Amino acid sequence: GQQVMQIPQYQHVQEGEDFTTYCNSSTTLSNIQWYKQRPGGHPVFLIQLVKSGEVKKQKRLTFQFGEAKKNSSLHITATQTTDVGTYFCAIRANDYKLSFGAGTTVTVRA
Amino acid sequence: DGGITQSPKYLFRKEGQNVTLSCEQNLNHDAMYWYRQDPGQGLRLIYYSQIVNDFQKGDIAEGYSVSREKKESFPLTVTSAQKNPTAFYLCASSVLAGGHTGELFFGEGSRLTVL
Repeated sequence: GQQVMQIPQYQHVQEGEDFTTYCNSSTTLSNIQWYKQRPGGHPVFLIQLVKSGEVKKQKRLTFQFGEAKKNSSLHITATQTTDVGTYFCAIRANDYKLSFGAGTTVTVRA
Repeated sequence: DGGITQSPKYLFRKEGQNVTLSCEQNLNHDAMYWYRQDPGQGLRLIYYSQIVNDFQKGDIAEGYSVSREKKESFPLTVTSAQKNPTAFYLCASSVLAGGHTGELFFGEGSRLTVL
């Protein structure tokens, strides 16, 4: 089935620094969703990207959908301890099925 | 408040026993899903359903069964045929907008441990 590669698997960040996580697909995507899962918690929806080249911002988080709609990125500026968790991208494999990437687990050094 | 309720939160089972995980939603969502999460790994789809009395296998359906007799309920049975059932199980639901899946709303999960 349709799959998405998510890199890096782990990201250790100094508080206050920026980092980026990426999702890459070999096929053109109709859209892509991003979720955050805090340690011990459940995934929570962050955003959905639909249009080619789309950029959306949520405070310190910037989401981008590639021009070819085959990749997406999440960039976090000035990382805080509240950013700790695992960030997943999810793609639509068919009309009703969402497939998730393996996630990027973020830890923050104070 | 509207949401998704999973129970039990923690469950211990002996090998060879079947166990059923409950998932109830009062969001009036048409679609419901079961995912499995293993430590340090992503979410793998077990089963999904977009309408009452209908459901489809996901990527790892072997050893699991589901039913969708009511719109708000989607229980998952982990059978003795599942070789490695110890995992964190997440139920989710979504609206179907224009025939496509919207964002997923997740329950808090059920952690199953086989002794």
